[in-house]
Amino acid sequence: EVQLVESGGGLIQPGGSLRLSCAASGFTVSSNFMSWVRQAPGKGLEWVSVIYSGGATHYADSVKGRFTISRDNSKNTLFLQMNSLRAEDTGVYYCARDGSGAVAGPFDYWGQGTLVTVSS
Amino acid sequence: DIQMTQSPSTLSASVGDRVTITCRASQSISSWLAWYQQKPGKAPKLLIYDASSLESGVPSRFSGSGSGTEFTLTINSLQPDDFATYYCQQYNSFSWTFGQGTKVESK
Repeated sequence: EVQLVESGGGLIQPGGSLRLSCAASGFTVSSNFMSWVRQAPGKGLEWVSVIYSGGATHYADSVKGRFTISRDNSKNTLFLQMNSLRAEDTGVYYCARDGSGAVAGPFDYWGQGTLVTVSS
Repeated sequence: DIQMTQSPSTLSASVGDRVTITCRASQSISSWLAWYQQKPGKAPKLLIYDASSLESGVPSRFSGSGSGTEFTLTINSLQPDDFATYYCQQYNSFSWTFGQGTKVESK
């Protein structure tokens, strides 16, 4: 059974850093495109970042230069390092699997989400 | 970047109604479109992919259509479990974009 479990969220001051984790089971993270998607309180979904199966990465303009996506193949875990956090980064962060394989596709599995609150 | 626009933002309907939600892309995305359902406090759930393919386990009252820049999600005979927010998502370019969402509420 495919499962994604996020952790690492919490309350952080503006300008601070946080590292989110997404532990996967039932499939191999490095064989899929893996993304982070966030949702501000009461708002819609915003795609944040992707790491392709080959290891290349891509970011939304809103987080480029501040966030870094990575993975640990030995732990089958996805990460999101978030630096220089701003109030507008507040929200629930989901990791999601692109089930299409080698091309961009829909997200067929999602984690339960982890809440990040940026506030002084 | 490709922008996705959904309409309406909110839709009031009753159990048994046929419901239609529209999603427009700012440029052609062929059929590279998905629909998701999200309930409060929960992760989104994939309903439809490639514009019209039903994800495994999703009830057949859900259907999708369209190509290019205009797409629709139809729910035939709305059920109590269907009151939720629905999002479209394009995956034509390597920067996935969601619509702003359509909340289906009880009339």
